[in-house]
Amino acid sequence: ETVMTQSPDTLSVSPGERATLSCRASQSVRNNVAWYQQKPGQAPRLLIYDASTRATGIPARFSGSGSETEFSLTISTLQSEDFAFYYCHQYNDWPPRTFGQGTKVEIK
Amino acid sequence: EVQLVESGGGLVQPGGSLRLSCVASGFTFGDYCMSWVRQAPGRGPEWVAHIKKDGNERWYVDSVKGRYTISRDNAKNSLYLEMKSLGAEDTAVFYCARDSGDSYYKYYYMDVWGKGTTVTVSS
Repeated sequence: ETVMTQSPDTLSVSPGERATLSCRASQSVRNNVAWYQQKPGQAPRLLIYDASTRATGIPARFSGSGSETEFSLTISTLQSEDFAFYYCHQYNDWPPRTFGQGTKVEIK
Repeated sequence: EVQLVESGGGLVQPGGSLRLSCVASGFTFGDYCMSWVRQAPGRGPEWVAHIKKDGNERWYVDSVKGRYTISRDNAKNSLYLEMKSLGAEDTAVFYCARDSGDSYYKYYYMDVWGKGTTVTVSS
């Protein structure tokens, strides 16, 4: 099973600042990584797939990068609606498909 | 509008069974593989099961093998999850999700999610 480890667990950022979230895979997953945003009481929302492709309707301030075992999600200028949990997810080596434990982006 | 709507969750006693349903609309259901994902309270999402477009191939996470069965009825635009021998560890919000991606290499990510249905296993 491929383990996905996210860092940090919590990221405190001021609105308007840049946020960078990291995700490490326990083995190569090529570029088969997605990023999801989740707000309390809501379903996860797809932001990025194939490591760097924005999903339909996702603002350009969200960008993904990385390959093999190291990935990152960057939010260039944090808006109030961006404070949420973020999960990375690998779909290269499955079953099972696996998620990271999540990073909470909170207001500083 | 592309939509997935789950139902069937509720309170069930340990050892009991439950059947979840998911109805799809706004897209051609039979053209997509589908998955179930669950999320225990305070935890991240956990992929649970996948079914191919025609229902002929199914995959499960080890912890549910032999207890959960994923199925679909393309004529009814519906996805199902039969669960038995439920325990406290099965308490979670269950999401139905559409799989998209590379069908040749089976690199599927979940691009559309329902709002979820809550399963609580407790006496």
